[in-house]
Amino acid sequence: ETGVTQTPRHLVMGMTNKKSLKCEQHLGHNAMYWYKQSAKKPLELMFVYNFKEQTENNSVPSRFSPECPNSSHLFLHLHTLQPEDSALYLCASSRGTSGDTNTGELFFGEGSRLTVL
Amino acid sequence: DAKTTQPNSMESNEEEPVHLPCNHSTISGTDYIHWYRQLPSQGPEYVIHGLTSNVNNRMASLAIAEDRKSSTLILHRATLRDAAVYYCIRPTGTYKYIFGTGTRLKVLA
Repeated sequence: ETGVTQTPRHLVMGMTNKKSLKCEQHLGHNAMYWYKQSAKKPLELMFVYNFKEQTENNSVPSRFSPECPNSSHLFLHLHTLQPEDSALYLCASSRGTSGDTNTGELFFGEGSRLTVL
Repeated sequence: DAKTTQPNSMESNEEEPVHLPCNHSTISGTDYIHWYRQLPSQGPEYVIHGLTSNVNNRMASLAIAEDRKSSTLILHRATLRDAAVYYCIRPTGTYKYIFGTGTRLKVLA
């Protein structure tokens, strides 16, 4: 138990569906992250939020839409996805800081395994 | 450039020490070095991090070269449960934790 909870753990969706992934952290952290892990590939950083503000968008296609309503919750809204978007989507959090340097360790959830048909 | 270089795979015998190397020759003076590991079917797990001095915790030790261009993660007694992919990363900017391909550690019984 890392203190970061992701739901659902598994999701199957068609290319025309709209679905959302949810992440919740109970660690009092202020920074939250979405990563994508495809088979046989390294983790890819997608989005970063610090104090609810997006600080990083790693050239992610617009069919992925993040939302961070507060420091404890992070969503990834999915629409008109492609089969190549099938992957493990990992959420993480860290302490966060208002300064320029972040040294805090990342805490990951167990991931949401997405299959796009 | 937040690149780190690690061997693709390593093997170790159970109950022997394991030294996992990482090269980060372009590291700046304020970049920390983090290590994470990912067990099968799980999200990555924090192992240890440091800046200049060697660091120890209950999971491992981190030895950082004097010039900071390389570091070594030390597992003092490998167990079968330590079989995982180990990632060495250098967070850059404010929150850019970029993961590479890591080192797949195989522990032999």
